[in-house]
Amino acid sequence: DGGITQSPKYLFRKEGQNVTLSCEQNLNHDAMYWYRQDPGQGLRLIYYSQIVNDFQKGDIAEGYSVSREKKESFPLTVTSAQKNPTAFYLCASSSWTGLGDGYTFGSGTRLTVV
Amino acid sequence: AQSVTQLGSHVSVSEGALVLLRCNYSSSVPPYLFWYVQYPNQGLQLLLKYTSAATLVKGINGFEAEFKKSETSFHLTKPSAHMSDAAEYFCAVSVTAGTALIFGKGTTLSVSS
Repeated sequence: DGGITQSPKYLFRKEGQNVTLSCEQNLNHDAMYWYRQDPGQGLRLIYYSQIVNDFQKGDIAEGYSVSREKKESFPLTVTSAQKNPTAFYLCASSSWTGLGDGYTFGSGTRLTVV
Repeated sequence: AQSVTQLGSHVSVSEGALVLLRCNYSSSVPPYLFWYVQYPNQGLQLLLKYTSAATLVKGINGFEAEFKKSETSFHLTKPSAHMSDAAEYFCAVSVTAGTALIFGKGTTLSVSS
């Protein structure tokens, strides 16, 4: 079955460490997105990519980086510059326009700073 | 710029009662509107979408929403709540192809027996 896989489900980061969250889709979707979810804040856009080797910053891109070397994969790196990284991270994908069918979401990665 | 506001961060209903979750949008052009549901520690699942066809949209699990341009609203309703409806619900808007969805802050629905 087609879908989006995020891994790991839980991730612990030490202060000053970079960590990478994985997102893979087999839906043949062109566009992929990363959102951060905090209680009471809803979903805030970190980065998105519509085609391979191209991506755009969202509202809260500082302290994060992404790459899109393959259509199926859109990993997110949380760098040491991100001062408050503890959150639930959601990856999504869609057709290029993203309008007609909405997004398909992964099951999320919960990142905790220890 | 477009935005979406969900009125009420928490809604409580009794099992069998009407569910009404409110969403208002701001957009200078006709929007595309979505409702998603999220169960604890899971991703979001699409409930229904408005894409300028019918103004009354039916979704999964008995939910429906009505697009009212004059009120800039897209409220989500269900005639009779079930315990399994307890979750967080998000309204989202997009107006331009190739840009990301804008989400509201969410409404947590609690259902009591």
